[in-house]
Amino acid sequence: DAKTTQPTSMDCAEGRAANLPCNHSTISGNEYVYWYRQIHSQGPQYIIHGLKNNETNEMASLIITEDRKSSTLILPHATLRDTAVYYCIVSQFGAGSYQLTFGKGTKLSVIP
Amino acid sequence: DGGITQSPKYLFRKEGQNVTLSCEQNLNHDAMYWYRQDPGQGLRLIYYSQIVNDFQKGDIAEGYSVSREKKESFPLTVTSAQKNPTAFYLCASESAAGINSPLHFGNGTRLTVT
Repeated sequence: DAKTTQPTSMDCAEGRAANLPCNHSTISGNEYVYWYRQIHSQGPQYIIHGLKNNETNEMASLIITEDRKSSTLILPHATLRDTAVYYCIVSQFGAGSYQLTFGKGTKLSVIP
Repeated sequence: DGGITQSPKYLFRKEGQNVTLSCEQNLNHDAMYWYRQDPGQGLRLIYYSQIVNDFQKGDIAEGYSVSREKKESFPLTVTSAQKNPTAFYLCASESAAGINSPLHFGNGTRLTVT
C-alpha cells in the first residue's frame, strides 16, 4: 500500500467546516482513498472513500486532487461529536482489507 | 441491528494466563480481522480470516492464536507467549475480502495484564 501523511492534530470551531488534509504522493492508479474515524475508546467508523472523483455522503465530502497525490476530507458543519482521530488510508482495488495500514491519523478537536 | 459484538469491554488477567477475546458478527460477512492498538498508535493487524476454517497471520501474530469454526465468530486467544499483551483489541469484518467494501469494527476489548 502507498503510505499517507496526515497532520498530527487540528482544531476546528464548532459549526465551522473541518478540512482534514492527506498526502498520498505515491498512490497508484488503481488505489482508492478511504477515510475512517475513531472516537476515543471505540472502534473506527467508516466515513467515505473514492478513486478520483469527488464524493459526498451524509457524513462528509471527499475532495481528491486531479493528480490524486492528495485529498481533503470535509466535515461541513463540525459538532463536538466529531472530535476523533481521523485516518486516511489508500487501498488497491481488489485487495483485501488485511493490506490496509492504519497510521496515527489526525486528532481533530472541535472547540465550542 | 446488524453489527459486531466484542466482549467483554474490559478484561484483566494475571501474567502467564491465556485469555480469549470474543468477536461475533451478524452481518453475514465472510472476512474477519483482529487488530491491536497501543496508546497513541495506529492499528496493527494480528490475524485475519477470509472464509470459515481458514485464517492467516498478520503483521504481529506471535503470541496470539485464532479459530474460525463458524462464519459469525472469530475468537482471539492471547497466550502467555505474548510479551506485551496489555492493549486495546479491535475486531472487524467486511462482506468479502478483495472487493473494497468498508470495514465494520466492534467497540473493542481493553485487556490489562499484570
